[in-house]
This record gives sequence, structure tokens and C-alpha cells, in this order.
Amino acid sequence: NAGVTQTPKFQVLKTGQSMTLQCAQDMNHEYMSWYRQDPGMGLRLIHYSVGAGITDQGEVPNGYNVSRSTTEDFPLRLLSAAPSQTSVYFCASSYKVGIPTGELFFGEGSRLTVL
Amino acid sequence: DAKTTQPNSMESNEEEPVHLPCNHSTISGTDYIHWYRQLPSQGPEYVIHGLTSNVNNRMASLAIAEDRKSSTLILHRATLRDAAVYYCILSDTGNQFYFGTGTSLTVIP
Repeated sequence: NAGVTQTPKFQVLKTGQSMTLQCAQDMNHEYMSWYRQDPGMGLRLIHYSVGAGITDQGEVPNGYNVSRSTTEDFPLRLLSAAPSQTSVYFCASSYKVGIPTGELFFGEGSRLTVL
Repeated sequence: DAKTTQPNSMESNEEEPVHLPCNHSTISGTDYIHWYRQLPSQGPEYVIHGLTSNVNNRMASLAIAEDRKSSTLILHRATLRDAAVYYCILSDTGNQFYFGTGTSLTVIP
């Protein structure tokens, strides 16, 4: 049972480069989301999706794009990386949208450094 | 979503109970109280949740004040593996969680 899988675990980029952080879940979860965590801070919601073809913005969406073409995958794209995007990124999923007791399952994180 | 207030850090001796407080004075009637914890270098993991009544599971207990303006996560017997950052979160959808900075728990051997 893989759960939520994030790749890569570590990445170093130069300013202006683009890249995609991958997130896949094998639990048939409707809801998927991306968070970033900066040193000494809690997690902040970037984007989320309530099903295939449906995405929406969270607290800090600027500089990031997402799409949800399948239930399983929710990639996060950085089109032109900036040093301010240096962070640890977490993908999370939940079984059903709108159930207030839904448990979020998190991946192990992807550590991104932008030089 | 309503905000929560937690102490930045707490310490506990190993094998003793730990009470982690959370204030949420602006909680709405439909907000559930969720607790997650984040071990070093890992993603957060679910601990427990509740609405009005106290809740118990294998990991912890959740005590909710009668007016629901505060709650307490209780770890009955702290172990070194319980050293983590504990987040208290309110949500009425179970999806869009807004994490604060949480409480960093240190367990002393």
C-alpha cells in the first residue's frame, strides 16, 4: 500500500528554471492538495483539487500551477523558479470531499532549493 | 476557517501524561477540531478529531470544553517517539486545513 507518493525527494534549481513536483495516490481519494512549509512555520496551502478536472487556489498560489487529469495524480508546476520558492513541499489527499471528519494523508515531502 | 492558538513549545518527561492545549474562541458550530502531528523530517499525520464530545483512540484523547472555545490533546504516556510538532486545526469541510505553527513537544528521557 503505497499511499501518497511524491517525487523527487530533493531538487536543486537555478532561478528561472521550471520543474514539476509529482504527487500520486493509490487510495482512490477525491481530494488532493499541495502545501509548502518554510523553516519555523506551519504548512500553507498552495492549491487543491476536489476531483479530476477541478482545481482551486489556496493561501499562497502565486508562482505555481496545477492540473488534475486523473484521480491518482496531482502535479505541481513551477514555471519560473524563484529563491522565495525554496521550501519543503507536501502533497496530501483525502477520501471524500466535504466530509468534515476526513483524514488527510500526507506524502513524505519534496525539498526544493532555488539558487 | 477560525484560527487556533497554541503554545510554541512544551516539555514532558518520558512515561508521564502530556496535556497540549488549544484555544479556538471563534469556533463555529460546524467546525470540527482536528489534531495532527509532524515528526522530524516527515509529513504530518492524523492524530484525532472531534466535534463536541470527548474522543479517545489508540494514539490519544481529545478533551473538548463545554463551550467548545478550547480543547486539549492528551497523550497518556509520553514516549520519545511522541516528540513532534502538534497542530490543532479547525475545519468544517475536512479538506482545506490551515495549519498554524503548532506546539513543539520535547520528551525528556
